[in-house]
Amino acid sequence: DVKVTQSSRYLVKRTGEKVFLECVQDMDHENMFWYRQDPGLGLRLIYFSYDVKMKEKGDIPEGYSVSREKKERFSLILESASTNQTSMYLCASSEGSGGYTFGSGTRLTVV
Amino acid sequence: RKEVEQDPGPFNVPEGATVAFNCTYSNSASQSFFWYRQDCRKEPKLLMSVYSSGNEDGRFTAQLNRASQYISLLIRDSKLSDSATYLCVVNTPRGGATNKLIFGTGTLLAVQP
Repeated sequence: DVKVTQSSRYLVKRTGEKVFLECVQDMDHENMFWYRQDPGLGLRLIYFSYDVKMKEKGDIPEGYSVSREKKERFSLILESASTNQTSMYLCASSEGSGGYTFGSGTRLTVV
Repeated sequence: RKEVEQDPGPFNVPEGATVAFNCTYSNSASQSFFWYRQDCRKEPKLLMSVYSSGNEDGRFTAQLNRASQYISLLIRDSKLSDSATYLCVVNTPRGGATNKLIFGTGTLLAVQP
């Protein structure tokens, strides 16, 4: 089975800090995604990548950036964390047009 | 209008009941369809894909009506372990994107003993 690993399960950061969320997948998938999930809003796509060094904006990219230097790793960066970025962050990977496999999520709290 | 809309829920049903979830999508160019299951404080996991001819996996049956842009999930003989949030998911092409999924907000199912 594909495994998607997110580096932290819980994080608490201060407003203004630069935050790195790491995601690694072990099945050589080309496609990787970052979502955030909030009550009542469901999963919203932040950024995605179809190949190394390639990235595309999702629906809510403001305040975020990403990096994909290696195929297996897709990092989400909060340039200057704000309280409205408190959320559950989910990384996913996929091959082709099939379903996604998600990591277990990072619950980020910005204080 | 949301791209993917689901029943608001929650659905509270007794063990053994049959329950149906409905979902509509707005983009007629959508190509692939899925149901995901998400347990409390866990990540979503693929439950089943949805095919045009309809498909069944044990107690679960998924149906797709492309003309009405409607997807359904039927669960027969509900178990306590079926309690979760069920997410309707649609793959909609956007500007050359090969695979980007749009998630509904989910319907919460609580199966009661």
